[in-house]
Amino acid sequence: AQSVTQPDIHITVSEGASLELRCNYSYGATPYLFWYVQSPGQGLQLLLKYFSGDTLVQGIKGFEAEFKRSQSSFNLRKPSVHWSDAAEYFCAVGGGYSSASKIIFGSGTRLSIRP
Amino acid sequence: DAGVTQSPTHLIKTRGQQVTLRCSPKSGHDTVSWYQQALGQGPQFIFQYYEEEERQRGNFPDRFSGHQFPNYSSELNVNALLLGDSALYLCASSFVGRGSDEKLFFGSGTQLSVL
Repeated sequence: AQSVTQPDIHITVSEGASLELRCNYSYGATPYLFWYVQSPGQGLQLLLKYFSGDTLVQGIKGFEAEFKRSQSSFNLRKPSVHWSDAAEYFCAVGGGYSSASKIIFGSGTRLSIRP
Repeated sequence: DAGVTQSPTHLIKTRGQQVTLRCSPKSGHDTVSWYQQALGQGPQFIFQYYEEEERQRGNFPDRFSGHQFPNYSSELNVNALLLGDSALYLCASSFVGRGSDEKLFFGSGTQLSVL
């Protein structure tokens, strides 16, 4: 069965520090992999997506993620966080009819920023 | 260019009642997906509509039904409401013609409370 695991429920980092959010997935074939961000009272915004090609994917807002097939991981990184990065982050996997079909989300990691 | 719009933003219902949630996709999009996000959880895929037909469905009972209109807008109907149906309901739209580059754009959601 397809699934996504985000082992960290809540992470706090200092402003300006680096960030890594972990994500592991289970999927039978080559999946589409996503990271989304959700701010309070807002819908989800796509940060980045991977399907094929370069395993290091660049996204918006200075985020990047690395696909590691051998570890079934797709961790999200940012070299220096800003207070505005505080939000809920969701890793997701998809692969139905298209890259926007039947996306399965992890349970999320809440990011807090320490001033 | 309006994004994905959902109505209403908040709704309070009683157990056993029926509810209809509405979604207008982003301009140029032809596919609508619905997700349920319980408090503290990641979104769960309910179903996706394309060309006025349900194309894919998640693990939700038949109490959850939907419809897509010729103008691509969509409705989510939930019958015989249960307390456990209390959640944020997110609508997302996409344009299927973009193939592997198809991306979901999410609305801000409808917060449904069942008392």
